[in-house]
Amino acid sequence: QKEVEQDPGPLSVPEGAIVSLNCTYSNSAFQYFMWYRQYSRKGPELLMYTYSSGNKEDGRFTAQVDKSSKYISLFIRDSQPSDSATYLCAIDTSGTYKYIFGTGTRLKVLA
Amino acid sequence: KAGVTQTPRYLIKTRGQQVTLSCSPISGHRSVSWYQQTPGQGLQFLFEYFSETQRNKGNFPGRFSGRQFSNSRSEMNVSTLELGDSALYLCASSLLGSETQYFGPGTRLLVL
Repeated sequence: QKEVEQDPGPLSVPEGAIVSLNCTYSNSAFQYFMWYRQYSRKGPELLMYTYSSGNKEDGRFTAQVDKSSKYISLFIRDSQPSDSATYLCAIDTSGTYKYIFGTGTRLKVLA
Repeated sequence: KAGVTQTPRYLIKTRGQQVTLSCSPISGHRSVSWYQQTPGQGLQFLFEYFSETQRNKGNFPGRFSGRQFSNSRSEMNVSTLELGDSALYLCASSLLGSETQYFGPGTRLLVL
């Protein structure tokens, strides 16, 4: 079993839809949870970072962590064509910077 | 503030050669990590340096090595290149005490 599982997609949604992206992880020692966005042929860009269970909101983006279920989500409201990218979840134990990434979900928002 | 920069951006090598990639972190960031990204394996951690010392290492063969200089700039070296080393090599930097890493644009290496 992989330490982090993420559906690779692709996921196609119409403009304005709410998008839900998800990852599951196996190790309860993981404490830090990140979401990155990666456009084609670019480096990953940090979107959200959280370390506690619950929701964290930033503009159209909401990160949700459920440590009891080992499940993390990223919600995108009012999705735009410019949101079309690959979304990667990343998980870390404390202070190692040795991130474990999901495989990434390709998202396409159709105008 | 300038982001993480990586040079070169693209590189073509042949099997058996060696290659050196360079990374300049965000000003003030002293931790530098390297990752390999391939379509099949995704993003995989190579190693992390802080204050010129390697603190963490991933599961890659000894052909992959790195170093960090006193100005926090980092280089990674791959010797005896194999076809499977073709990948996007990403560098990320972090501020001491922060859990977040910021990535550069990557160096795309093609091994023929």
